[in-house]
Amino acid sequence: KAGVTQTPRYLIKTRGQQVTLSCSPISGHRSVSWYQQTPGQGLQFLFEYFSETQRNKGNFPGRFSGRQFSNSRSEMNVSTLELGDSALYLCASSSDGSTRDTQYFGPGTRLTVL
Amino acid sequence: AQSVTQPDIHITVSEGASLELRCNYSYGATPYLFWYVQSPGQGLQLLLKYFSGDTLVQGIKGFEAEFKRSQSSFNLRKPSVHWSDAAEYFCAVGARRGSTLGRLYFGRGTQLTVWP
Repeated sequence: KAGVTQTPRYLIKTRGQQVTLSCSPISGHRSVSWYQQTPGQGLQFLFEYFSETQRNKGNFPGRFSGRQFSNSRSEMNVSTLELGDSALYLCASSSDGSTRDTQYFGPGTRLTVL
Repeated sequence: AQSVTQPDIHITVSEGASLELRCNYSYGATPYLFWYVQSPGQGLQLLLKYFSGDTLVQGIKGFEAEFKRSQSSFNLRKPSVHWSDAAEYFCAVGARRGSTLGRLYFGRGTQLTVWP
């Protein structure tokens, strides 16, 4: 099976712009989670989607949003970008989203905000 | 609230030496426990996980970890390190039930350098 894919791999934006990141889970997986990784804060949970529904959300401002499509692909959107949004955004997929179910991570999208 | 502590930010070992990476967690009950590894520019790869049963779990690449409930620890070990093990290692915990089910809490990571 193909692994989790994320596009684009690298992105450069300026403050105030918005950005959309895409994640394609492993075939058959229905849960997609998003994490932000920064040197200062480490790995932080953004949100999780299962069957097109957001089931869990981390402590991020409303500028961060996401959605999941019927084919389980997911997108996350960040509006009004700030310098502090520069990070590696990781997507993980799992079969049913329970913690017992292994989360498989994609390579990430490196976002740089200038 | 769940939290994970990896006390060692950076560890350097010689190739062939043994390795132990420490992980302590704070959680109201026994969580699910994981170790992931991240190479530069890559995502996270699962090394091993603990759900229940035998407290010594075996993973990929010759790694093992031991769950010690009394110490709230889940330390990662490898008897002989290879140069290719140089990477960043993350310990994570997840809830068995409740509103945070499916969400992983990560430690800050331990960067491993291997000397030839």
